[in-house]
Amino acid sequence: GQQLNQSPQSMFIQEGEDVSMNCTSSSIFNTWLWYKQEPGEGPVLLIALYKAGELTSNGRLTAQFGITRKDSFLNISASIPSDVGIYFCAGQRGGADGLTFGKGTHLIIQP
Amino acid sequence: EAGVAQSPRYKIIEKRQSVAFWCNPISGHATLYWYQQILGQGPKLLIQFQNNGVVDDSQLPKDRFSAERLKGVDSTLKIQPAKLEDSAVYLCASSIRGVDGDTQYFGPGTRLTVL
Repeated sequence: GQQLNQSPQSMFIQEGEDVSMNCTSSSIFNTWLWYKQEPGEGPVLLIALYKAGELTSNGRLTAQFGITRKDSFLNISASIPSDVGIYFCAGQRGGADGLTFGKGTHLIIQP
Repeated sequence: EAGVAQSPRYKIIEKRQSVAFWCNPISGHATLYWYQQILGQGPKLLIQFQNNGVVDDSQLPKDRFSAERLKGVDSTLKIQPAKLEDSAVYLCASSIRGVDGDTQYFGPGTRLTVL
């Protein structure tokens, strides 16, 4: 099955730095989502994007739905230690369809 | 509101043995999904139920995997017989129709190790 192309694979940053990650697909999705997963837990939804070109914020997180419907990016501003985890992008074709995930971006914050 | 419940949390079996996982979705959620997450990868959809009917099982290896949701609430996923490559975390998710779409809520997963 298809997986989305997510980059970077991992990021080592200092506390307080901004973070940017992106996701691309060879096919169109009608919804883009960003999830965070911590060890031993299931993914937790951070941001959902429903319209091409949409820019949505959730606290220090900002995500955009690409105009071509084939890409999305997530920015985290002023990172803090609790931001550590694996971030996944996911695409969805229909409202109740299963999700197609990227391979994840592992965020590590150095003290 | 209680989240998606899964059991067991961990399971270790030998290849060719059988194993079953259980999922209790969030109350009122009509749609239930099973995903397989291999180490270092994102989750991959195995099967989707709408109430007690299968909506999508195109990525389910049907020669060894089966799933059911008989009463439209709880669901079980079974592997028989297991192979080494089935070692993964099995995630259950449920969703309910919202204004913009269905938000999927994930359980903590069952980590399967096949020796």
